[in-house]
Amino acid sequence: DVKVTQSSRYLVKRTGEKVFLECVQDMDHENMFWYRQDPGLGLRLIYFSYDVKMKEKGDIPEGYSVSREKKERFSLILESASTNQTSMYLCATDPIGGPKLFFGEGSRLTVL
Amino acid sequence: KQEVTQIPAALSVPEGENLVLNCSFTDSAIYNLQWFRQDPGKGLTSLLLIQSSQREQTSGRLNASLDKSSGRSTLYIAASQPGDSATYLCAVRPQGYSTLTFGKGTMLLVSP
Repeated sequence: DVKVTQSSRYLVKRTGEKVFLECVQDMDHENMFWYRQDPGLGLRLIYFSYDVKMKEKGDIPEGYSVSREKKERFSLILESASTNQTSMYLCATDPIGGPKLFFGEGSRLTVL
Repeated sequence: KQEVTQIPAALSVPEGENLVLNCSFTDSAIYNLQWFRQDPGKGLTSLLLIQSSQREQTSGRLNASLDKSSGRSTLYIAASQPGDSATYLCAVRPQGYSTLTFGKGTMLLVSP
């Protein structure tokens, strides 16, 4: 089975802090994704990556950046955290062409 | 732009009932459709995936159907159990693209 590991399940940060969320997958998948999930808004795509050092903006990239230096690792960066970035962040992965998308357990971020 | 709608938003049933969850999408040019389960505070787990050329998929007590022409999919759960309580999300992958569009989910509660 595919294993997608998000390094932090729960984080509490202060406004203005820099935040790193890491995701590691063990199945050599090309595609990796970062979503955020909020009540009433569902899942929204922040960024995705097709390959090492490649990145594409999703629907809500503002306030976020990403890094993919190795195939198995995809990091989401909040340069200066704000309270409206309090959310559940979900990492996902699949091989090129799919078919299935595999998710990590999620990272719940609270920004005070 | 693809839109995915799930009705109802919440459903409460007694144990043992058969139930149907609905998913509709606006653009029938899809590559596949996937149903997920999400437990509170956790990531998403893939339940069933239907390719665009298929009509249905079954796994245990779960059966998912797809009618591309009408833009609809249903997830049928037979003999529901309290352990089925979770949020169920559907997502469509469009032809030619890697990113899925998610519905907002149906929150299911099965009472003993």
